[in-house]
Amino acid sequence: QQQVKQSPQSLIVQKGGIPIINCAYENTAFDYFPWYQQFPGKGPALLIAIRPDVSEKKEGRFTISFNKSAKQFSLHIMDSQPGDSATYFCAARYSGNTPLVFGKGTRLSVIA
Amino acid sequence: GAVVSQHPSWVICKSGTSVKIECRSLDFQATTMFWYRQFPKQSLMLMATSNEGSKATYEQGVEKDKFLINHASLTLSTLTVTSAHPEDSSFYICSARDGRIAGGGQFFGPGTRLTVL
Repeated sequence: QQQVKQSPQSLIVQKGGIPIINCAYENTAFDYFPWYQQFPGKGPALLIAIRPDVSEKKEGRFTISFNKSAKQFSLHIMDSQPGDSATYFCAARYSGNTPLVFGKGTRLSVIA
Repeated sequence: GAVVSQHPSWVICKSGTSVKIECRSLDFQATTMFWYRQFPKQSLMLMATSNEGSKATYEQGVEKDKFLINHASLTLSTLTVTSAHPEDSSFYICSARDGRIAGGGQFFGPGTRLTVL
């Protein structure tokens, strides 16, 4: 059973557009929700993270929107650039020293 | 800050040999390290979790005698793939966090590409 469902699987946007990647979770015990960016052949890099007591968090061009009642969260990339082309993973974690549970990833292509 | 390094970045070995991958947290103390495996165009698959000074906890289906994990210090964990076979070829990524920091981030190394001939 997949604990974190991510969509879409792939996404193509024009430069300057705002790609939106969505994730949904079932377990209300999750209390930490990060997003990672991964380029081919590299390890994932932490982009931004949010806790369930906050509805939105913004860091640079990246924004997380969090809807606790719907058990959904999403990543928005403002003014997307070709350099943002990568695979993005959402994740969730229980409190305590537990491992992250990952979504299946979204391959984003930003075309000029 | 929060840099995790891995060595080697890639390795090619013959079937039946053992390969050791090192993971280091460079600027923080990693009380917990995680080892993942990733196949092309797929998500990360957790193999095991290790806390400093304790035995690793392996995920279901991961052979602990094949994938030996040692987390002897707060900055170093190693993964040894014993008697490697072609099906062990994959991208192995370590990750680390300081579990003493509530809500602390989990940071990933650059990964190690293992090819077993």
